[in-house]
Amino acid sequence: EIVLTQSPGTLSLSPGERATLSCRASQSVRTSFLAWYQQKPGQAPRLLIYGASSRATGFPDRFSGSGSGTDFTLTISRLEPEDFAVYYCQQFGSSQWTFGQGTKVEIK
Amino acid sequence: QVQLVQSGAEVKKPGASVKVSCKASGYTFTGYYMHWVRQAPGQGLEWMGRINLQSGGTNYAQKFQGSVTMTRDTSTRTAYLEMSGLRSDDTAVYYCARRFSGQYYFDYWGQGTLVTVSS
Repeated sequence: EIVLTQSPGTLSLSPGERATLSCRASQSVRTSFLAWYQQKPGQAPRLLIYGASSRATGFPDRFSGSGSGTDFTLTISRLEPEDFAVYYCQQFGSSQWTFGQGTKVEIK
Repeated sequence: QVQLVQSGAEVKKPGASVKVSCKASGYTFTGYYMHWVRQAPGQGLEWMGRINLQSGGTNYAQKFQGSVTMTRDTSTRTAYLEMSGLRSDDTAVYYCARRFSGQYYFDYWGQGTLVTVSS
């Protein structure tokens, strides 16, 4: 099973600042198999990025994904109040899906 | 529009079974897989398995093999997750999530069903 490790666990930032979230895999992951989700309290997760770098419908271009192999990054260029949430990376490998443990982006 | 509507909250005693439903609308039901993901209180997301809505074929996470059964009813466009031998650490919100064949992400999610296991 491929393990995804997200860092940091919590990111305390102010609106307007840049957020950089890391997702590291225990084995190489195909970029087409890497996704990111946003989850707000009391809500279901929402697809944010797929194929490591393609933005899902409804998300603005301040969100971007990058990376390959074992290292992937989600960047929010300028945080808006509605971006404070928990972000999860997800991968597919060996017929199994796994999630990272999540990064909480909180208001400083 | 695509909707996945799940059944309501459940309270069960340890050792009992529970069956959660996920009714789909707004798209061609059998063209997709349905995955189930759970989230314990204050914790992260855990993938449980998936069902091919066309064939009924399943693939479960190793942790859940033997305790989970995923089925579907194409006539009512509903997917089901049944769990047996419930324990207190099965207390969680259970989500269904749709995936198109050949894609590797979940593009629509149900609203979640809280299952509480308590004596």
